[in-house]
Amino acid sequence: AQSVSQHNHHVILSEAASLELGCNYSYGGTVNLFWYVQYPGQHLQLLLKYFSGDPLVKGIKGFEAEFIKSKFSFNLRKPSVQWSDTAEYFCAVSGNNDMRFGAGTRLTVKP
Amino acid sequence: DAGVIQSPRHEVTEMGQEVTLRCKPISGHNSLFWYRQTMMRGLELLIYFNNNVPIDDSGMPEDRFSAKMPNASFSTLKIQPSEPRDSAVYFCASSIWGDEQYFGPGTRLTVT
Repeated sequence: AQSVSQHNHHVILSEAASLELGCNYSYGGTVNLFWYVQYPGQHLQLLLKYFSGDPLVKGIKGFEAEFIKSKFSFNLRKPSVQWSDTAEYFCAVSGNNDMRFGAGTRLTVKP
Repeated sequence: DAGVIQSPRHEVTEMGQEVTLRCKPISGHNSLFWYRQTMMRGLELLIYFNNNVPIDDSGMPEDRFSAKMPNASFSTLKIQPSEPRDSAVYFCASSIWGDEQYFGPGTRLTVT
């Protein structure tokens, strides 16, 4: 089965700092890639997804992610975080009849 | 569409009792997923179905857990007998296979 690795367990940033969360996957075939966000006390919601085309994907709330096929990576970025971005972020991969989530990265943004 | 519907939203039960969680996926979706989330273990995939057929149940923790999908619009996750360590938030999600998953609001289970 394929796997998804999120390297950062907990990230703490101050408001206006730039964000990059890592995501790597282990699967060599065609994949669809996703980032989800879970705000405190809520369910997971989609931030953005990549199926094909431009490897730089823009999502909601100013988030973007870049698919680098050679590195099997799909890192999430935001130039300037806000306190309201405090949440848990999950990377997910689907392909070869399988779908997996990473362990999640908790982001805390200090006002 | 009302989204993925889960019931009950909260369940408090005593150890040893049977618990049944219910999920109604979004109409037209052919994949359904059951997850468990706790602070200690994070988000865990328990089982998923494609076209009502269980594809991967390797995440089901033990024989006390079972899941069914009798038709395209309904699924259940049953725990029998329940134990305090089963306390968690259980999420159901549905999708068109390979595409974005839509999550329900979750069922918060407390086993005392």
